[in-house]
Amino acid sequence: AQSVTQPDIHITVSEGASLELRCNYSYGATPYLFWYVQSPGQGLQLLLKYFSGDTLVQGIKGFEAEFKRSQSSFNLRKPSVHWSDAAEYFCAVGTISGGYNKLIFGAGTRLAVHP
Amino acid sequence: GAGVSQSPSNKVTEKGKDVELRCDPISGHTALYWYRQSLGQGLEFLIYFQGNSAPDKSGLPSDRFSAERTGGSVSTLTIQRTQQEDSAVYLCASSLARTGGGDEQFFGPGTRLTVL
Repeated sequence: AQSVTQPDIHITVSEGASLELRCNYSYGATPYLFWYVQSPGQGLQLLLKYFSGDTLVQGIKGFEAEFKRSQSSFNLRKPSVHWSDAAEYFCAVGTISGGYNKLIFGAGTRLAVHP
Repeated sequence: GAGVSQSPSNKVTEKGKDVELRCDPISGHTALYWYRQSLGQGLEFLIYFQGNSAPDKSGLPSDRFSAERTGGSVSTLTIQRTQQEDSAVYLCASSLARTGGGDEQFFGPGTRLTVL
């Protein structure tokens, strides 16, 4: 069965420090992979997505993610975190079901940023 | 352009009452999804609508949950005889539903449902 694992429930970093959020997936075929961010009281905003091609994907707000098929991972990175990045981050895999894209989400990683 | 909108933003109800949650998708998006976000369960898929096709209801947790989409646009999620475990944030998303999957889903701000 398809699944997404985000091993870290909470992460705290200092402003200006680098960030890596981990995501591992289980899916039989080539996956469609997504990272979403949810700020308090807000809906989910897409940061970036991987469908095919270059395994290093650039997204909004200075985020990037790297697809590693051998490790079934799609980790999210940012070289220098800003206080406004404090939010919850969700990794998701898109599974083709009946010709459409059903998203299966990880449990999320809550990021806190210290000044 | 306008994004996905949901109403109400917050709903408090008493156990046993029925509630209706509304979603207005992005104009031109043919696919519409409902998800539930609750503590301890994360984000769960509930139901999917695509054009005039029969919806995929495989994620609905019980027969107290139903949804409809009128005219291929606005959708209403109805929960009958609400229970405390229905308390959650209900998120709606829409997409262009390009063939082959992988298209981007745009999410609304959600409706926070609290069942007392």
